[in-house]
Amino acid sequence: GAVVSQHPSWVICKSGTSVKIECRSLDFQATTMFWYRQFPKQSLMLMATSNEGSKATYEQGVEKDKFLINHASLTLSTLTVTSAHPEDSSFYICSARDLVRTEETQYFGPGTRLLVL
Amino acid sequence: GIQVEQSPPDLILQEGANSTLRCNFSDSVNNLQWFHQNPWGQLINLFYIPSGTKQNGRLSATTVATERYSLLYISSSQTTDSGVYFCAVHRGNTPLVFGKGTRLSVIA
Repeated sequence: GAVVSQHPSWVICKSGTSVKIECRSLDFQATTMFWYRQFPKQSLMLMATSNEGSKATYEQGVEKDKFLINHASLTLSTLTVTSAHPEDSSFYICSARDLVRTEETQYFGPGTRLLVL
Repeated sequence: GIQVEQSPPDLILQEGANSTLRCNFSDSVNNLQWFHQNPWGQLINLFYIPSGTKQNGRLSATTVATERYSLLYISSSQTTDSGVYFCAVHRGNTPLVFGKGTRLSVIA
């Protein structure tokens, strides 16, 4: 099946620093990738939809200046948490669809755990 | 947007028991997927099942699209089945919307 990777898997940073998370589709091309956030014992909440070569679409309540998304190629999207604060600590998961396949399955990366001290 | 409701929210089973998890959704959908989130957070794709029935080993799923629900069956449960099971749906080109999940604990 299609594989989505994320890097890093874990990051601990000081309050006020910026953190970049990479999401790659390893064996397929994805014109659209999605970023989700999951707090402990809660479900996945969509943050934004990342479109290759254009601006991301953010969900209501998600600050676009705080969560910068760049989708520079058909296999790479990045999420940068700028000036991170403890309340940004969460599990961030990216996802992509393989548009070539007939099934519209959405594949997920392994996630990135962010802890802001 | 589409609403997804899962039941039960929590389930405790004795090893070897069978269970049924339910997912109701509020509108017609193009896609429905069942996931198992393991203790490390990885979402394991169990089924892509917008309609019909599929089986994979001890797991099977049925989606009745006209009645807007899906069922996930786990037979002869094992401790390794523990974790959170999510149902997620989408329509058109929108991303998957997740239910709140069913937290399953299988005890030996």
